[in-house]
Order: sequence, then structure tokens, then C-alpha cells
Amino acid sequence: GAGVSQSPSNKVTEKGKDVELRCDPISGHTALYWYRQSLGQGLEFLIYFQGNSAPDKSGLPSDRFSAERTGGSVSTLTIQRTQQEDSAVYLCASSTRNTGELFFGEGSRLTVL
Amino acid sequence: AQSVSQHNHHVILSEAASLELGCNYSYGGTVNLFWYVQYPGQHLQLLLKYFSGDPLVKGIKGFEAEFIKSKFSFNLRKPSVQWSDTAEYFCAVRPQGGSEKLVFGKGTKLTVNP
Repeated sequence: GAGVSQSPSNKVTEKGKDVELRCDPISGHTALYWYRQSLGQGLEFLIYFQGNSAPDKSGLPSDRFSAERTGGSVSTLTIQRTQQEDSAVYLCASSTRNTGELFFGEGSRLTVL
Repeated sequence: AQSVSQHNHHVILSEAASLELGCNYSYGGTVNLFWYVQYPGQHLQLLLKYFSGDPLVKGIKGFEAEFIKSKFSFNLRKPSVQWSDTAEYFCAVRPQGGSEKLVFGKGTKLTVNP
């Protein structure tokens, strides 16, 4: 498709398990962003990629969170040893450089029991 | 750190009422400004943006926003809302010259009653 694709759309996991969330950006978009959306908290910035490098990962809440991007395309956000407070919708967005207009995916809803 | 404040958490209007959603940001330099909208069950999409030039910008679906630099504000307006405008609205700021990240406000939920 032409949009940003995220998988899985829903993930339920047990506390302490690791999860991987995938984002497939719009073809040709060099910038890729991860945000977290929690009820009443708006969009919390996690990390930003330009190509395969991450110039800004200041929003990752702890060292349990990591992300990578390969081939300037697909990105994976990994959360290790999940905690209940990690429950949220994880949003991926992509853009062409310097336009600032982000195109968002549908999100991955993570529930940690 | 840069921050974006949206003053109203939840706004309830009747159809045909006028809308103004407040947005203020804290950053002293040049910024790019955005409003995004999230309709129920849909992904976030761009409503309008300001980069430079005329501080009154027009977006989709009859929305407009005015950048007032002296007030660090970028309020969203619509003269007459419709039931289909029911959604959550997010203001976002990107300071120029720094990271490419957009900093979002916490959002304002708009409910329009028919």
C-alpha cells in the first residue's frame, strides 16, 4: 500500500516478555519516527531516524527500549522485559526530509498484563 | 525543553457553532507549526501547517490557524463546525535548526453534537 504500515496492530503480552513492533514507511521517505500515545498524554516522542542512523533518541524512556532501521526502510522497536506502564499505542510516522509533514501509521496497541 | 500546551482537554459544541482551540509553545527561536487531527478509529493526519509567510494559514475542511509570534500561539479556528469534525486535535511544533522531531501537545478532544 501507499501508506505507513505497522504490525502487529494489537499485541497482548505478559509482564517481563520482550516485544517487537514493526514499521514499514512510505517508500522514499528518509525520515522515520516512533511516538507513544497514552490516554490523556498526547504523543510522546521516542526516537527519530534519518536513513539508518538515529540522530535523536532522547525520548526512549529506558534502556529496555531500543530501535533500529535497516536499508533505510523498515524499522523495529523492541521493548525488553515489558512492564504494565509500557501499555500504549505505539505510532510510527515517516516523512521526506525537512518537510515536517509526518505521515502516520495506524499504530500498534500494546497491552502488558 | 520545548513544550506545547493545549489549553482545552475536551470541547463540546453544537453544530454550526464556532470553534477555537488554543495552542501555545515554549521555544524562543524560529519554529514550524502544525495541527494534526485524529478522527475516531483513524490514523493521525495533517490538518494544516505554518512554515513562513502569511501567519494566517488555511487547511483542509475549512480550518484555519493564526500564528502570533509575540504570543507564542498557533490557535486553530473554524467558523462553523459540523458533526463530522468530532475528533481529537493535536498541535505540534518543530524548532528549526535542531532535531527533526515534532513535539506534540496532549491533544484536545472535540465533540460536536448534531
